[in-house]
Amino acid sequence: GQQVMQIPQYQHVQEGEDFTTYCNSSTTLSNIQWYKQRPGGHPVFLIQLVKSGEVKKQKRLTFQFGEAKKNSSLHITATQTTDVGTYFCGGGGATNKLIFGTGTLLAVQP
Amino acid sequence: DVKVTQSSRYLVKRTGEKVFLECVQDMDHENMFWYRQDPGLGLRLIYFSYDVKMKEKGDIPEGYSVSREKKERFSLILESASTNQTSMYLCASRIRASPSYEQYFGPGTRLTVT
Repeated sequence: GQQVMQIPQYQHVQEGEDFTTYCNSSTTLSNIQWYKQRPGGHPVFLIQLVKSGEVKKQKRLTFQFGEAKKNSSLHITATQTTDVGTYFCGGGGATNKLIFGTGTLLAVQP
Repeated sequence: DVKVTQSSRYLVKRTGEKVFLECVQDMDHENMFWYRQDPGLGLRLIYFSYDVKMKEKGDIPEGYSVSREKKERFSLILESASTNQTSMYLCASRIRASPSYEQYFGPGTRLTVT
């Protein structure tokens, strides 16, 4: 069945450094969503990408959807302590379900 | 604002007990989901429901059942709790059946089975 792999599982950065997490799907996706879960919190929707090669920005966050619609990335420029948490991607495919990646836990040292 | 609430934040149960986890959403969403979250494994779908009285198995339904008698409420039932069901359980809702709609998550229930 459809699988979505996410790497890295964990990343520790110094405040001000950049951060990137990657999602790779075994099948072509119809769309991809990104969620953020703060420590002790629940996942909260960040953004959705639908088109091949799409790039969207939210302040210091840049989201990309690959040309083949099988991979995606989230890049944070100049991390801040408020960026800490787990970032999940969720891929939509042939079913009405989202298949979530395993998540990347970001730790930011001040 | 969409609100998804779960009946308990923390729950401790004994092996073999029947456990009910309740989820309520207040935005008339058609779809509701139950996930479990474990370190290194991400969010895994247990069951979901497209509408009242409709349910479909997710990726890890074994040992669980669900009930959706009313649109706003989706219950997860552990028929006979086991220690390997110790986990964080997250409920989510979505306006209708398409992966292009965002999911709204509840605060989660951390279940410990001893």
